[in-house]
Amino acid sequence: QKEVEQNSGPLSVPEGAIASLNCTYSDRGSQSFFWYRQYSGKSPELIMFIYSNGDKEDGRFTAQLNKASQYVSLLIRDSQPSDSATYLCAVNMERSGGYNKLIFGAGTRLAVHP
Amino acid sequence: GAGVSQSPRYKVTKRGQDVALRCDPISGHVSLYWYRQALGQGPEFLTYFNYEAQQDKSGLPNDRFSAERPEGSISTLTIQRTEQRDSAMYRCASSALTSGNYNEQFFGPGTRLTVL
Repeated sequence: QKEVEQNSGPLSVPEGAIASLNCTYSDRGSQSFFWYRQYSGKSPELIMFIYSNGDKEDGRFTAQLNKASQYVSLLIRDSQPSDSATYLCAVNMERSGGYNKLIFGAGTRLAVHP
Repeated sequence: GAGVSQSPRYKVTKRGQDVALRCDPISGHVSLYWYRQALGQGPEFLTYFNYEAQQDKSGLPNDRFSAERPEGSISTLTIQRTEQRDSAMYRCASSALTSGNYNEQFFGPGTRLTVL
C-alpha cells in the first residue's frame, strides 16, 4: 500500500462545476496535510494546508480532513479552465524534528473544459 | 532573486559520470529540501537541511547520492557514477521556519537530469 494515494485521473469537469479531488494516507499519526497544484512543466505551488478535522475554506478552494478515515479532499468551486493542472496531495510524516517531511501522492490530473 | 533557483536547468550526462546539482534557496530561508520527481509522479523526498546541518537523509536512494549545504545557504546534490535510473527531475525547496505545523515549501524550477 502506498503511503499517499490519489486517483491519477484525468478528472474532467465542465467550467463552473465543482471539482472534487481525493486523497487517502496510510500513517494514522500524520498531523498536517497539503494540497499543491502543478501546471504542466512547472514546479509545484502550495494551494492549501490543513491539520484539523473538518473543512477549511480559502476562496474557491475547500480542503476537507477526516483523520479517522485517513482521508483528505480538495473541492474547487466554480472551476475554471485555468484550474486545469495536476493536484498533488502531500502528508507530513515527520513527528519530532519540527520540519515538514512531505510524502506526495502521484497527483490527480484535472481538466476543466469550457 | 525572489524565488528558489537551481542550476543547471538541464543536464545530460553519460552513465558512470558524476554530476553536481545546485540549489540557491530564497534568501533567509533556513530549511532546504531536495526532492526527485519522476514523470507522472509526485516529488519524492530525498534529504533535508536545517541551516548547514543535514538533519534527514533518509530518502537518499543509496550511497552514490550525497548533499551538502556548508554555509547554510546554497546546497549541492551530488550523484556519483550516474546510472540511467537516476534520470529524473531534481527539485529543491526552501522554507522559512524550522518548526510548526505549517511551513510552506517553495519549490525551485528543477534540474532535468538525463543519463545516457
